[in-house]
Amino acid sequence: EVQLVESGGGLVRPGQSLRLSCEASGFTFGNFAMGWVRQAPGRGLEWVSSISGYDGSTQYADSVKGRITVSSDIFKNTLYLQMTSLRAADTAVYYCVKFPNYVVSRSFAYFDSWGQGTLVSVSS
Amino acid sequence: QSVLTQPPSVSGAPGQRVTISCTGSNSNIGAGYDVHWYQQLPQRAPKLLMYGDNSRPSGVPDRFSGSKSGTSASLAITGLQAEDEADYYCQSYDVTLNVLFGGGTKVTVL
Repeated sequence: EVQLVESGGGLVRPGQSLRLSCEASGFTFGNFAMGWVRQAPGRGLEWVSSISGYDGSTQYADSVKGRITVSSDIFKNTLYLQMTSLRAADTAVYYCVKFPNYVVSRSFAYFDSWGQGTLVSVSS
Repeated sequence: QSVLTQPPSVSGAPGQRVTISCTGSNSNIGAGYDVHWYQQLPQRAPKLLMYGDNSRPSGVPDRFSGSKSGTSASLAITGLQAEDEADYYCQSYDVTLNVLFGGGTKVTVL
């Protein structure tokens, strides 16, 4: 059974940094593209970032580009999201997600597994 | 403002059929990218409900069906049940390699 367990969320002040982790199990982590999706309180879903399981290439939403870095450690089966220069607008539950293939492509650009989410609150 | 447009809410009585639309553009749905749907029960993480326009993951009842035409897609729920009360999100991809979500539709069972 696929399991994605996020951690690292919390309350931070504007301008600070935070690193989220997602420990994966139940599948061969390095064989799949992974990503992050967030949901602000009472709002809809927003894709944040993706990383290819094929070559480690990354993509970012325009709203976070330059401030957020996604990475993975296949030896630890863990996905990371390093967030810097955090803003109030970054306040959200951050979900770790798994793609059904090792590349994000036309036919496989969806999320077949989701973690339970970790809450990031940015407030002074 | 989401790139994919969904109605904020739909409702129906138990046993009825409801549909949720998802309207995009020639840069995403109209460019041939698949549409996928997620169900988010209250206070829960989203769950994949439909992928590749009209394919159901294992365990999803056949009361749920998907379709796509042109720049729009639809999710239909037939034989609406109380347990179907949730938020539903469509999702696709675009030519700039971005993943797109609709704004979400709240389904209420009357």
